[in-house]
Amino acid sequence: NAGVTQTPKFRVLKTGQSMTLLCAQDMNHEYMYWYRQDPGMGLRLIHYSVGEGTTAKGEVPDGYNVSRLKKQNFLLGLESAAPSQTSVYFCASSYSGDQMNTEAFFGQGTRLTVV
Amino acid sequence: GDSVTQMEGPVTLSEEAFLTINCTYTATGYPSLFWYVQYPGEGLQLLLKATKADDKGSNKGFEATYRKETTSFHLEKGSVQVSDSAVYFCALSEGLFSGGYNKLIFGAGTRLAVHP
Repeated sequence: NAGVTQTPKFRVLKTGQSMTLLCAQDMNHEYMYWYRQDPGMGLRLIHYSVGEGTTAKGEVPDGYNVSRLKKQNFLLGLESAAPSQTSVYFCASSYSGDQMNTEAFFGQGTRLTVV
Repeated sequence: GDSVTQMEGPVTLSEEAFLTINCTYTATGYPSLFWYVQYPGEGLQLLLKATKADDKGSNKGFEATYRKETTSFHLEKGSVQVSDSAVYFCALSEGLFSGGYNKLIFGAGTRLAVHP
């Protein structure tokens, strides 16, 4: 079972370049999330989606855009990369939004370096 | 706001040693508490959870008890193996936010290295 798959796994960008991170899940989950993880900090929510065609801002949305055109895919875009966006990015999905009682499934992460 | 604090790592142990990874939380209500584990090269996966005070979550020999009086959810294992080497994340989830979901709040993660 594939679960949640992120593409690419590693990437180096120059300041000002753009890129898109792809997240795909095969569990028919409604909810999908993008997090970033920085040293000494927990995962922080960037954007999330409660269903196909919907997106919403999380805790740290500035500098990122997202799209959920298909239920199984959630794309994270960086229009003009900055060194502050150097991080490890995790995608996750869950069956419902009730994360008190529903397990979230995570991808392997994408390590992005902006130079 | 809600927060989760974990002991800093890395934690280095010999095989068969006893493991404790401390986790304390701050929350306004009655959160659910989780431990997630990330093995090398893999995504985070749920290890165990507890949804109310005094509940004990357990899985793969790991245990954690939801202690409301001390706002803690420490992870323990009696005898670690090399295969337990991973990063462990404590997390909480509480309430129902206006966005239609209740978010997960993570600690910084604790790296565990077990050597033979």
